[in-house]
Amino acid sequence: QVQLQESGPGLVKPSETLSLTCTVSGGSMSSYYWSWFRQAPGKGLEWIGYTYYMGSTKYNPSLKSRVAISVDTSKKQFSLRVNSVTAADTAVYYCARRLILTGHTDVSWFDPWGQGTLVTVSS
Amino acid sequence: SYVLTQPSSVSVAPGQTARITCGGNKIGSKSVHWYQQKPGQAPVLVVYDDSDRPSGIPERFSGSNSGNPATLTISRVEAGDEADYYCQVWDESVDNVVFGGGTKLTVL
Repeated sequence: QVQLQESGPGLVKPSETLSLTCTVSGGSMSSYYWSWFRQAPGKGLEWIGYTYYMGSTKYNPSLKSRVAISVDTSKKQFSLRVNSVTAADTAVYYCARRLILTGHTDVSWFDPWGQGTLVTVSS
Repeated sequence: SYVLTQPSSVSVAPGQTARITCGGNKIGSKSVHWYQQKPGQAPVLVVYDDSDRPSGIPERFSGSNSGNPATLTISRVEAGDEADYYCQVWDESVDNVVFGGGTKLTVL
């Protein structure tokens, strides 16, 4: 079955750019949306955004000005960039596949998820 | 923006039934999904589209959404069910994924 694995630096300096990659294995990226989430220490889940396999994107309005998600289906990867990070961006970052109920784009859930990767913003 | 409200904690004895609620404005008109997250692990989908179960999820997990609130029911609770549970919907008014604050299930 489809498995996802996040990778990237675990430590980023304030004001710099956080970059993560999610690698998809065990299935095709085609016809699916691919998403990023984060979870600050001791806090709940926050959706960051997603990309369609063909490259269109949608972002959480609260983060839209600082984030970008891209996809490379030839490598079976999609990536996240968060600009101008602060300590508030310290979190475990997860990637996940978005599934949609046929004919109902307002009905979508996320499965499976990657194991997550902790990113700490600190000088 | 749309807000989902969950109790911060629910406690239940082994073998009993746990009910975790998820409240929101006109939530009955939305499709609710539920995730289980054990400490140090990624979330796992346990119920989608109000009441459907992914393959591999025990029948003990069930969902309902006939009004306010939506409910995740875990029957015959086991120690291994101890986890945080999150409900999720899509807020079409602002094109945003919304999560509840999470409920910590403690098995006594």
